[in-house]
Amino acid sequence: QQKVQQSPESLIVPEGAMTSLNCTFSDSASQYFAWYRQHSGKAPKALMSIFSNGEKEEGRFTIHLNKASLHFSLHIRDSQPSDSALYLCAVSLSSGSWQLIFGSGTQLTVMP
Amino acid sequence: EAAVTQSPRNKVAVTGGKVTLSCNQTNNHNNMYWYRQDTGHGLRLIHYSYGAGSTEKGDIPDGYKASRPSQENFSLILELATPSQTSVYFCASGDTGGSAETLYFGSGTRLTVL
Repeated sequence: QQKVQQSPESLIVPEGAMTSLNCTFSDSASQYFAWYRQHSGKAPKALMSIFSNGEKEEGRFTIHLNKASLHFSLHIRDSQPSDSALYLCAVSLSSGSWQLIFGSGTQLTVMP
Repeated sequence: EAAVTQSPRNKVAVTGGKVTLSCNQTNNHNNMYWYRQDTGHGLRLIHYSYGAGSTEKGDIPDGYKASRPSQENFSLILELATPSQTSVYFCASGDTGGSAETLYFGSGTRLTVL
């Protein structure tokens, strides 16, 4: 069964820093990779996603995907206190269905 | 933006009691999901549905049933609640749109089983 693991479990960075969050998966046939963000007491919300190897940038956020190393990451440039949240990575099953398997999350705190 | 509404927001139940969590979506999405979220486990899939009348088992279905009577509504039923089912439950809807699926989550139900 697909295993999705995130690191680190928690992270504290100063405002303005570059933040890097990591996600590894076990099934090399995985097709879809996404990040969700969940502010405290709120619903998870889709942040961005990627299909193909390489990187994708949206504003201050960048996803890197390396299928060969079973790894993808989220990078946040110029981190802001409003970025403080639980970040969940998610990977699609390789069976052809699109249900997402989530990691356990990284709790990010950005200090003003 | 997609709208998914869960009720109740908070629920306290007794061991052995029956609990029903409700979810309504107004996005006309085919797929709906029930997850539970526990510290250290992220979101774990309990049941899901491809449309009215269908329910499928997710990764942790034991002790839970689901019901999808219509496109809009998806319920999670705990026939005999146990303390181990104390958790935060999230409902989500999603539509593949021909490529990949983005999930839209409700605000969650915090369930405590005493």
